[in-house]
Amino acid sequence: DTGVSQDPRHKITKRGQNVTFRCDPISEHNRLYWYRQTLGQGPEFLTYFQNEAQLEKSRLLSDRFSAERPKGSFSTLEIQRTEQGDSAMYLCASRSTRDTEAGEQYFGPGTRLTVT
Amino acid sequence: KQEVTQIPAALSVPEGENLVLNCSFTDSAIYNLQWFRQDPGKGLTSLLLIQSSQREQTSGRLNASLDKSSGRSTLYIAASQPGDSATYLCALDRGSTLGRLYFGRGTQLTVWP
Repeated sequence: DTGVSQDPRHKITKRGQNVTFRCDPISEHNRLYWYRQTLGQGPEFLTYFQNEAQLEKSRLLSDRFSAERPKGSFSTLEIQRTEQGDSAMYLCASRSTRDTEAGEQYFGPGTRLTVT
Repeated sequence: KQEVTQIPAALSVPEGENLVLNCSFTDSAIYNLQWFRQDPGKGLTSLLLIQSSQREQTSGRLNASLDKSSGRSTLYIAASQPGDSATYLCALDRGSTLGRLYFGRGTQLTVWP
């Protein structure tokens, strides 16, 4: 098990372009989370999946953002018509519900998005 | 809304010192609390998780405590080393919100030789 992986690690895009990020959770972890972190701040929750179902979305997730987890394994986060304010680190985390007494979340290395 | 505050925001100490990082929160109804380490430009590494029924957890030179009644957690680092330099984040899981974490802004620690 190699842990949570994210791709790409860095993305530079021009304002108005669409970008898509991928997250591969720890295998057999049925819960997957997306967070966004800006400089000097702690991560903020964006959305959450249990298996393939998206169960919660933050108000931070505007209509330009969409996330999917089609087969309950990897997940994608798409941002349409990017804005400079979207520049941030996008973090993915996973957790197993078999570990219900602890509930530890494991994070990936993040995708750093820069919108110019 | 769960508010998580970490004090101090930054800390600079010489190698070998024992130090304490503080985390306070407004809602005592928590499921667990996690301490993370984040190196510049990197993701989060889990250090310790304390369940709501526990008072403390230890891992090597790290000890984390939890006092729900006062809304506080501390992370104690013994015999600090330059390699401990990083940002330390605490995060709460309220349980009722399906596991989403509420983070503080972190404490940026620098340990100089």
